[in-house]
Amino acid sequence: KAGVTQTPRYLIKTRGQQVTLSCSPISGHRSVSWYQQTPGQGLQFLFEYFSETQRNKGNFPGRFSGRQFSNSRSEMNVSTLELGDSALYLCASSKLDSNYGYTFGSGTRLTVV
Amino acid sequence: LAKTTQPISMDSYEGQEVNITCSHNNIATNDYITWYQQFPSQGPRFIIQGYKTKVTNEVASLFIPADRKSSTLSLPRVSLSDTAVYYCLVGDEGGNNRKLIWGLGTSLAVNP
Repeated sequence: KAGVTQTPRYLIKTRGQQVTLSCSPISGHRSVSWYQQTPGQGLQFLFEYFSETQRNKGNFPGRFSGRQFSNSRSEMNVSTLELGDSALYLCASSKLDSNYGYTFGSGTRLTVV
Repeated sequence: LAKTTQPISMDSYEGQEVNITCSHNNIATNDYITWYQQFPSQGPRFIIQGYKTKVTNEVASLFIPADRKSSTLSLPRVSLSDTAVYYCLVGDEGGNNRKLIWGLGTSLAVNP
């Protein structure tokens, strides 16, 4: 059974650019959440999607956005990148209509230079 | 919003039992408590989940007192491979916008 797949695994971007990260959840999982992880802040919740609808949103600026497709795959986009956006971006999926028992991907390591 | 508090770090030795406590004073009635383990450059991995009293699986036990304002993850007979960061997760409900509050994690170092 395939796990949560995140692409790309590593990414280097320049300030001011935009980036799109992709997440393919476990088959049958309809809930997808995104997190930003930095050494100083730990895991910070970005947003959650369930059945193509954003159900929850964390306290991030509007430069961070996401969407979910009918096959439950999800993308997140960050526009006008800043140096502080450098982080590990994690995607997690869940089968239940709940926020618990998540399966995480290995993440996308984004470096902004 | 519910907040969680965990020790920043802990040290142990192989073969010992390790107990990590998480405080969550504002836990909501319907919320569960979930613990995750994370190794460097990997996503967190689900360890155990509970609502009250005690839950045990093949890798850990979770103790939750009656008031549910805290929980304790117990790792029996740890090995070097248990060196990782452990997170306590408690859901928080605010109307229709339920935010997920993660603790900062406890960095566990298991020594030979």
